[in-house]
Amino acid sequence: ETGVTQSPTHLIKTRGQQVTLRCSSQSGHNTVSWYQQALGQGPQFIFQYYREEENGRGNFPPRFSGLQFPNYSSELNVNALELDDSALYLCASSLELPGVGTDTQYFGPGTRLTVL
Amino acid sequence: AQSVTQLGSHVSVSEGALVLLRCNYSSSVPPYLFWYVQYPNQGLQLLLKYTSAATLVKGINGFEAEFKKSETSFHLTKPSAHMSDAAEYFCAASSGSARQLTFGSGTQLTVLP
Repeated sequence: ETGVTQSPTHLIKTRGQQVTLRCSSQSGHNTVSWYQQALGQGPQFIFQYYREEENGRGNFPPRFSGLQFPNYSSELNVNALELDDSALYLCASSLELPGVGTDTQYFGPGTRLTVL
Repeated sequence: AQSVTQLGSHVSVSEGALVLLRCNYSSSVPPYLFWYVQYPNQGLQLLLKYTSAATLVKGINGFEAEFKKSETSFHLTKPSAHMSDAAEYFCAASSGSARQLTFGSGTQLTVLP
């Protein structure tokens, strides 16, 4: 069974640039969630994708957007990067059961984004 | 809105001593509760979860947690700490079919030789 993978591991960007982070979900999972973890803090929910559509969103501006592909992998895009976007971005996959909800989320190793 | 509070941002114990990490949740409905561990420069690893079955939940690496509705708590314990337990621990909650996890701010566990 393949776990959740993310790429790249590290990324350095400058303010105003755009970035794309990628996530491959665990085998058998159909849902991907993204979280932002600033230094010294707990992860904050950005959004979740199920059946290629956004399925819940946290308190993040529209410049944070995403995609989910038919193979359930996902991308997180951030436009107009700000210094405060520097963080560890975590992807989690899970199995959504219709009418039941989302089961346990399993996390990838994360992508460390530094904005200069 | 749901919130999770972890009391004590840093906890130090001696090797072999009891580990107790505290977590309280605020929810209008019984939540699903989780403990995750994060080692340096890594993602989150699930330790255990509570999903309204048994109130005492056993997890990996000898950890367990007890759900106490009257105290809105879900504290994590381990009878005997090992050096390899040194890491950051996060308590998280989700409500029923809600899709997002709400995390506490984390507790850094240090194990002293």
